[in-house]
Amino acid sequence: EDKVVQSPLSLVVHEGDTVTLNCSYEVTNFRSLLWYKQEKKAPTFLFMLTSSGIEKKSGRLSSILDKKELFSILNITATQTGDSAVYLCAVESSNYQLIWGAGTKLIIKP
Amino acid sequence: NAGVTQTPKFRILKIGQSMTLQCAQDMNHNYMYWYRQDPGMGLKLIYYSVGAGITDKGEVPNGYNVSRSTTEDFPLRLELAAPSQTSVYFCASSAGGKPYEQYFGPGTRLTVT
Repeated sequence: EDKVVQSPLSLVVHEGDTVTLNCSYEVTNFRSLLWYKQEKKAPTFLFMLTSSGIEKKSGRLSSILDKKELFSILNITATQTGDSAVYLCAVESSNYQLIWGAGTKLIIKP
Repeated sequence: NAGVTQTPKFRILKIGQSMTLQCAQDMNHNYMYWYRQDPGMGLKLIYYSVGAGITDKGEVPNGYNVSRSTTEDFPLRLELAAPSQTSVYFCASSAGGKPYEQYFGPGTRLTVT
C-alpha cells in the first residue's frame, strides 16, 4: 500500500530558529513529491521535486529530494510567526492521484 | 478570478439525510478533485475528474457520488449520510499539464449526527 509519512507530527520553536521537516514515502509509480502549506483553511502549493539532489528554494524555504532513500526534507530558516502552519507532503503517482502525509504542525513562538 | 469556490461552508446533517456539496472553479482547469480531511490525518481523495463528462474513483469513494457536466462545476453528492462522513471536505483543481499543483477551495465542514 502506498504511504507517505511525515515527522515530526508537531514542532514548537522560537522565532528566528531554523527547522527541518521530514517526509518519507513508499509509493509505486512515483512521479513527483510536493510540499504544501496549510494555514487556517486550504492548502497552498510550495514546491514540486522530481530529481534527487536538486534543491528548490523560495525565500527562506528550501527543499530537497532523495529518491534512493525515498525521503524529502523541507527547511525553513529564520522562522517567523507567519510560518506557523501545517506543512503537508504529498507524492504524485502515475494516475493523477496525490498520496498525502498527515502533516507537520509547526508553531513559531514570538 | 475567484479561484475555487465551495458551498456551503458548514453543514450539520442527520444520519440518513442526503446533500450536495458544490464546487466551482473559474480558471478553466481540466482536472478537479474532491478530498476529505479528518483531524490529524492527511487528505484522502474521494473522486477526481480529468475533464467534463469524465470522473473516476479515488481512495475513499464509498458513500459519495460525483458528476462533471461542465468544466467549471464538480458537485459531490452524499447519499444516506453516516457519522463516519463527518469531516472537512476540500475541492481542488489543476491545469491539465500540472496535476501536482492543485488549487484548493476553502473547504466545507460537515458534521453528521
